[in-house]
Amino acid sequence: GNSVTQMEGPVTLSEEAFLTINCTYTATGYPSLFWYVQYPGEGLQLLLKATKADDKGSNKGFEATYRKETTSFHLEKGSVQVSDSAVYFCALSPLNRDDKIIFGKGTRLHILP
Amino acid sequence: EPEVTQTPSHQVTQMGQEVILRCVPISNHLYFYWYRQILGQKVEFLVSFYNNEISEKSEIFDDQFSVERPDGSNFTLKIRSTKLEDSAMYFCASRERLVVQETQYFGPGTRLLVL
Repeated sequence: GNSVTQMEGPVTLSEEAFLTINCTYTATGYPSLFWYVQYPGEGLQLLLKATKADDKGSNKGFEATYRKETTSFHLEKGSVQVSDSAVYFCALSPLNRDDKIIFGKGTRLHILP
Repeated sequence: EPEVTQTPSHQVTQMGQEVILRCVPISNHLYFYWYRQILGQKVEFLVSFYNNEISEKSEIFDDQFSVERPDGSNFTLKIRSTKLEDSAMYFCASRERLVVQETQYFGPGTRLLVL
């Protein structure tokens, strides 16, 4: 079946630190991969996505590369800010008729000033 | 930029009562979805809807749940007789087409509390 596994949180970093949040997936075929972010008290926002192998999604300084050989889509940012504090969800969308999104459990990120 | 809207933002209800959660998808979108997120847990797919019928539903989406697109703009989720475990954030999403380049857009959610 299709599933997403991401690193457990919470992750606590100081401002300007380097961030990596690991994500691996299991899927049949060639899924699209996503990172969604949920800021405190808000809904889900698409952060970035990649639709095929070796694609790099990027937005707001965050990047993730679709690695088919390792079935991974790790999220990285070179220098985090306090405003990046949120819950980050790795997700996939199998390319079937219905295209539901399957989410990981989420990783809570705390950035300390 | 067009966005998905949901009402109400918060709803408190008594166990056994019916609730209707409302969503207005982006106007040219054809595919509609409901997801839920129990507090502190992952977001789970409930149901997808296309061409006025359910495309797929999860195990969570039992006979107590129903969806409807009553007027061509709203997309509703009804829970007939709420249970305590229905307390969650409910997200609506919509998508224009089922092609790789298209993205699902999520609404801000309705937080439902069942007492």
